[in-house]
Amino acid sequence: QKEVEQDPGPLSVPEGAIVSLNCTYSNSAFQYFMWYRQYSRKGPELLMYTYSSGNKEDGRFTAQVDKSSKYISLFIRDSQPSDSATYLCAMSGQAGTALIFGKGTTLSVSS
Amino acid sequence: GAVVSQHPSWVICKSGTSVKIECRSLDFQATTMFWYRQFPKQSLMLMATSNEGSKATYEQGVEKDKFLINHASLTLSTLTVTSAHPEDSSFYICSANTGQGQETQYFGPGTRLLVL
Repeated sequence: QKEVEQDPGPLSVPEGAIVSLNCTYSNSAFQYFMWYRQYSRKGPELLMYTYSSGNKEDGRFTAQVDKSSKYISLFIRDSQPSDSATYLCAMSGQAGTALIFGKGTTLSVSS
Repeated sequence: GAVVSQHPSWVICKSGTSVKIECRSLDFQATTMFWYRQFPKQSLMLMATSNEGSKATYEQGVEKDKFLINHASLTLSTLTVTSAHPEDSSFYICSANTGQGQETQYFGPGTRLLVL
C-alpha cells in the first residue's frame, strides 16, 4: 500500500460546479497537509496548508483533514476554467522534512 | 508567498554530458532544500535533501555519484546530472522551506531536461 493514495482522474466538470478532491494516507504520523496546484510543465503552487485535523477556508477553496480516517479533502466552489490543472496532495510528519505526494488529480473545468 | 527560482528552465544535451541546475531562494534563507523528479503523468518523487554546509541525503535508489548536490549558501543549491543518459530526461523541481516554524514548502518552476 502506498503511503498516499490519490485518484488521478481525469475529472471533468462544468464551470460553476463544486469540485471535491481527496487523498487517503496510511502513516498516522503525518501532521502537516498541503494541497498544491500544478499547471502543465510548471512547478507546484501552494494552495492550502493545514496542520493536524480541521477545516481551513481561503476564498473558493476549503481544505479538510480527518486524521481519524486518514482522509483529506479539497473543495473548490464555483469552479472556473482557470482551475483546470493537476492538484497534488502532500503531507509530512515533521516540520522541515520532505513531502510525500499523491499522484495528483487532473481537473478540467469546461466553460 | 516565498519565491524560489530555478535555472535553466529548459535544457537539451547530448548523452554523456553533464548538466547543472541551480535552485535559488530569492527572498528568504533556506537551510534545507529538496530536489524532486517528476516523470510524465507521475507525481513528484524526492531525490535528495540538500542541507547548507553539509552533504546531501539521498533517497534509496538515487545514485549520489550521478546526481551531485551542492548547497554552498543559504540561498543556493545546485544539482548536477553527471554523464546524463536519455533515461535521465525528466522534470527536475526544487523546493525550500522558509523555516521559522513553518512547514510549507515553496517550489521552483522546474527544469525540463531532455537528453538526446
